[in-house]
Amino acid sequence: AQKITQTQPGMFVQEKEAVTLDCTYDTSDPSYGLFWYKQPSSGEMIFLIYQGSYDQQNATEGRYSLNFQKARKSANLVISASQLGDSAMYFCAMREVSSGYSTLTFGKGTMLLVSP
Amino acid sequence: IAGITQAPTSQILAAGRRMTLRCTQDMRHNAMYWYRQDLGLGLRLIHYSNTAGTTGKGEVPDGYSVSRANTDDFPLTLASAVPSQTSVYFCASSISGASYNEQFFGPGTRLTVL
Repeated sequence: AQKITQTQPGMFVQEKEAVTLDCTYDTSDPSYGLFWYKQPSSGEMIFLIYQGSYDQQNATEGRYSLNFQKARKSANLVISASQLGDSAMYFCAMREVSSGYSTLTFGKGTMLLVSP
Repeated sequence: IAGITQAPTSQILAAGRRMTLRCTQDMRHNAMYWYRQDLGLGLRLIHYSNTAGTTGKGEVPDGYSVSRANTDDFPLTLASAVPSQTSVYFCASSISGASYNEQFFGPGTRLTVL
């Protein structure tokens, strides 16, 4: 079974609108971290936001917020007031601490296109 | 500027040749990682290292080897390249293996094996 599932291969949104990118995860670890990365067409991976499994509040970073629903095992990324520069590939990732090490497992990504 | 550098930026390689992708970080991070990115598959972990002198296998380690002689460098070697190793390779690092530590990524190496 996939550990990270991003069900939206592509999303379209108009500039200034909000958009939600879906992410569900599967783990039996009690302690884990959830990350979102942005990959623009230039190829670099840019860290956006982090949510810890024990965090009581949803993470926010500027226009980015993470809608963390632990019981449903979902960690959706919400981008408010979309900008043209938000057009990129977005990856959800999970970090599990098990067997003495901690590695990131990535979803397959969602391509977001922001139109004027 | 602190960060991760990777070399080469891109490479075309004949099948059967040996190739080493270089990765250097100057952030004194303990943990380092190698991923490959293929269209439709996201990023998959090849090998990782939690600290200098130790390495471990990720999801797709076959055909690759790594070493971690010091904190800063984490080279990835393809002993005998095959076309299925055509991919974009990312090196990453984090302060430690703790769950809350984000990973910082290098710019990537685009490798084509013919």
